[in-house]
Amino acid sequence: RKEVEQDPGPFNVPEGATVAFNCTYSNSASQSFFWYRQDCRKEPKLLMSVYSSGNEDGRFTAQLNRASQYISLLIRDSKLSDSATYLCVVNALIQGAQKLVFGQGTRLTINP
Amino acid sequence: NAGVMQNPRHLVRRRGQEARLRCSPMKGHSHVYWYRQLPEEGLKFMVYLQKENIIDESGMPKERFSAEFPKEGPSILRIQQVVRGDSAAYFCASSQTGGADGYTFGSGTRLTVV
Repeated sequence: RKEVEQDPGPFNVPEGATVAFNCTYSNSASQSFFWYRQDCRKEPKLLMSVYSSGNEDGRFTAQLNRASQYISLLIRDSKLSDSATYLCVVNALIQGAQKLVFGQGTRLTINP
Repeated sequence: NAGVMQNPRHLVRRRGQEARLRCSPMKGHSHVYWYRQLPEEGLKFMVYLQKENIIDESGMPKERFSAEFPKEGPSILRIQQVVRGDSAAYFCASSQTGGADGYTFGSGTRLTVV
């Protein structure tokens, strides 16, 4: 089983739609969770951290379910500029060292 | 704060040559990580270093690849005797806390082996 699993997509949705991504992780000891965004041929950039209580940043809402080892990202009123690959990221202790483990990414295209 | 600086941005090497990729972490960050991304694929962890120490190299190929983070100067990822399959984007990231607050990435080095 992959440490972090995401649906690779692609997701093609019209502008203004609401879109949701899901992610599961295998290491129950993981402590920190993030969503990163990566534009084509660019570096990943932190979009938001994910907290147990859930958190919202404008049109973006992230949720964490520790019992199910499941993370989600919701984008409301999507914009053309939201087109990117969204990476689910988990911080875990693996082989004695803390490191971030990245999911494969979910590709999103917003259509006009 | 200049962020994580990687150079060169693009590197072309012939098969059999050596490639040296450099990374200067953000000011105040002592943790450095190298990731590789093949075209149309996800980020794959390669190595995690702190000053003068390799903490985790579980993602490094056993041969031809090495990394260092000396007391002074940038972290270096070295690939000896490059092959076409080494063509990829190599991203360096740094953190202050070992990942609890996420990583900051550099803009990457795109290696092309011809």
